[in-house]
Amino acid sequence: DAGITQSPRHKVTETGTPVTLRCHQTENHRYMYWYRQDPGHGLRLIHYSYGVKDTDKGEVSDGYSVSRSKTEDFLLTLESATSSQTSVYFCAISDDLGDEQYFGPGTRLTVT
Amino acid sequence: ILNVEQSPQSLHVQEGDSTNFTCSFPSSNFYALHWYRWETAKSPEALFVMTLNGDEKKKGRISATLNTKEGYSYLYIKGSQPEDSATYLCASTDNYGQNFVFGPGTRLSVLP
Repeated sequence: DAGITQSPRHKVTETGTPVTLRCHQTENHRYMYWYRQDPGHGLRLIHYSYGVKDTDKGEVSDGYSVSRSKTEDFLLTLESATSSQTSVYFCAISDDLGDEQYFGPGTRLTVT
Repeated sequence: ILNVEQSPQSLHVQEGDSTNFTCSFPSSNFYALHWYRWETAKSPEALFVMTLNGDEKKKGRISATLNTKEGYSYLYIKGSQPEDSATYLCASTDNYGQNFVFGPGTRLSVLP
């Protein structure tokens, strides 16, 4: 299995609080991605990174920001969590754009 | 944003049956088509990445074909087994890997 971890694995937070999810890889892959998974929508891309400090928006980026200060870490931040951001969040990595992606175990976030 | 569709939404087959499902995607500016297998409570795992019109790929009892001109891909499973039960996702990219969009998936249940 590709070395991808996500932390925390589960989190419950209140509306309006900031939340940061971490994705850590040991594969030295250039590309990292954040997705959310919701019933009826499948996986939707939030943001992705193509290198240190290089990021771009995905399909559902509103309300989320990301940072990548090191090759191995990609952080997803919800500045002020809302109930609509309750979801399962997956991180993924790939060696190059268009290559197969390897997924982390997921983080279940509940915003009450 | 690309529109990637999959059919059927769900499928129940008997052990030993062969089955297939469809992924349709925009054919303009096509770059790559991915298939992933997603078991319940696990993370998606890559099956195939295809880029060329007419591509056929095979992994054991699972194979896939690609038609980029008309914008569809078929996934075939020969002699389905209960362990094939999973959701099968396709994803398409355009513009040399940007706009990576997943379809909603086909949920396969193989009954013993």
